[in-house]
Amino acid sequence: EADIYQTPRYLVIGTGKKITLECSQTMGHDKMYWYQQDPGMELHLIHYSYGVNSTEKGDLSSESTVSRIRTEHFPLTLESARPSHTSQYLCASSEVTGRISGANVLTFGAGSRLTVL
Amino acid sequence: AQSVTQLGSHVSVSEGALVLLRCNYSSSVPPYLFWYVQYPNQGLQLLLKYTTGATLVKGINGFEAEFKKSETSFHLTKPSAHMSDAAEYFCAVGAQKLVFGQGTRLTINP
Repeated sequence: EADIYQTPRYLVIGTGKKITLECSQTMGHDKMYWYQQDPGMELHLIHYSYGVNSTEKGDLSSESTVSRIRTEHFPLTLESARPSHTSQYLCASSEVTGRISGANVLTFGAGSRLTVL
Repeated sequence: AQSVTQLGSHVSVSEGALVLLRCNYSSSVPPYLFWYVQYPNQGLQLLLKYTTGATLVKGINGFEAEFKKSETSFHLTKPSAHMSDAAEYFCAVGAQKLVFGQGTRLTINP
């Protein structure tokens, strides 16, 4: 059973529409992430958060925005969608495996596949 | 900066044959290394990880990987492929933020 939920799984919309991709996790993780995935390409980090009211931009520039008002919720918003935003968006959360090692193990949602016409 | 290169975007093996997926990394600090698997229409699932200690790491579904610092490699292997292993596999490096490779699609021939 998934502990991190993304909705919608699939979305087809027209150019100029505002969309919000929802991501919720029930594991109590402080750290959450949004990755963008295109076919045959590596995952690109576009946003991350290390806790409530903390958000940062990732390595790949994105016109989307995020918010983190509650620990379990990390929605991603596009104010005006364009065809270039067509992609799969993956949400993840993580916990640190041990205080010494410091390695984050990510748990991913099933993804939201966005198509902008 | 850290980076990952996965050699071969597509690997095809016969059922029962050895699976070898190659991953080379670049890191200026001792790396944390991961392999994730993605089945169709699903998110990524952790296969195994290397943080410290033993360089041969065993994961789920019979997969294992060996960290070789001298070769900056973290190749993924499985002695005998099963049809259910068909998926996309991603190598990743990092601690707070992960950097992923471009993925290798594994196809299993009956």
